Amino acid sequence: DIQMTQAPSSLPASLGDRVTITCRASQDIGNYLRWFQQKPGKSPRLMIYGATNLAAGVPSRFSGSRSGSDYSLTISSLESEDMADYYCLQSKESPLTFGSGTKLEIK
Amino acid sequence: QVQLQQSGAELVKPGTSVKLSCKASGYTFTSNHMNWIKQTTGQGLEWIGIINPGSGGTSYNVKFKGKATLTVDKSSSTAFMQLSSLTPEDSAVYYCARGGGEQGFAYWGQGTLVTVSS
Repeated sequence: DIQMTQAPSSLPASLGDRVTITCRASQDIGNYLRWFQQKPGKSPRLMIYGATNLAAGVPSRFSGSRSGSDYSLTISSLESEDMADYYCLQSKESPLTFGSGTKLEIK
Repeated sequence: QVQLQQSGAELVKPGTSVKLSCKASGYTFTSNHMNWIKQTTGQGLEWIGIINPGSGGTSYNVKFKGKATLTVDKSSSTAFMQLSSLTPEDSAVYYCARGGGEQGFAYWGQGTLVTVSS
């Protein structure tokens, strides 16, 4: 199975900060990488698909990038509504696998 | 608008089975695969498998083979997942999520909480 190593597991940050979450793939996944946001008691929300493409309705302060086997989700200026858990997902190969998650919280 | 409506919470006894449902609306049910995902506090998110509603064809995560069985009823645009031989480790929130290229995983059900306890 492809392992998605996500870091950090917890990220304290202040409003207005630029924050970056990273997933490293254990094998080549091309751009078959999605990012999700999940708030307590809610279903995951698709934020980024194809590693770099913003999903519909997602604010432009969110962006996705790739450098080799490292995939990043960046929030350019943190807002209070961004406090949530974030997960990556690779869909290159079955079984699909998720990262372990990052809890973004107010410092 | 696309909606996936999942069945309500279940409290079930160890060793029994449970069948969860995911009713789709707002699109042609047979045009998109349906994924099922398990979420626990300890294990995070795990992909269980996928079903093609048009053909009934399935693909499972090996970890869930023998545990989960995916089916559909095209007449009611509903996907089902049966979980068998339940143990406390099967206690989780289970989601359905629509597949389909770039828009895959853009639509999720609200989740069904399954609690396995005697």
